[in-house]
Amino acid sequence: AQKVTQAQTEISVVEKEDVTLDCVYETRDTTYYLFWYKQPPSGELVFLIRRNSFDEQNEISGRYSWNFQKSTSSFNFTITASQVVDSAVYFCALNNYGQNFVFGPGTRLSVLP
Amino acid sequence: NAGVTQTPKFRVLKTGQSMTLLCAQDMNHEYMYWYRQDPGMGLRLIHYSVGEGTTAKGEVPDGYNVSRLKKQNFLLGLESAAPSQTSVYFCASSPGSGRGDNEQFFGPGTRLTVL
Repeated sequence: AQKVTQAQTEISVVEKEDVTLDCVYETRDTTYYLFWYKQPPSGELVFLIRRNSFDEQNEISGRYSWNFQKSTSSFNFTITASQVVDSAVYFCALNNYGQNFVFGPGTRLSVLP
Repeated sequence: NAGVTQTPKFRVLKTGQSMTLLCAQDMNHEYMYWYRQDPGMGLRLIHYSVGEGTTAKGEVPDGYNVSRLKKQNFLLGLESAAPSQTSVYFCASSPGSGRGDNEQFFGPGTRLTVL
């Protein structure tokens, strides 16, 4: 069975602080894909990143970075110098060699001015 | 390109009423999905389709039916609405490589309240 855990239900930070959102997954497959999505207050879901199970290189995109560690089954997301516009619910998701996504429960990030 | 659209955006039903939610995509995607989003539970898959004329059950299919008569449309039906079906419903589509590597494109959501 596949499962995604996001233990942090809500996080509040002050603008310009760095924040890391945790994602731990479970799967018995050796080939799988991990995703992060952002859901701002407007409600739409926005794709942020995809990573396959064979690529453990960390990725940086502007203020966003992702740390994938197969040894701990984690795919954590860090926002550097957070901004108010980063306030949203962030979802981690897992997809194996198939059609189904399994989403975590989400982490609500509030960035205070 | 409109991407993925959902109709309606909001709806209030009484217990026992029926309704159909329409999802349309103009990206020629093979795969389409219906999710529900409830507080603290993320998105849960209701039904999905890997091509025109095919549908399959997801994690929480009870009380819902779907149809994919045309590639671009995916309909979600509630035959007899219950208060437990109060939720935000999202439709998504993806190109569908079969490898699981395609991201999903989401519609704006439909907020359904069942009284």
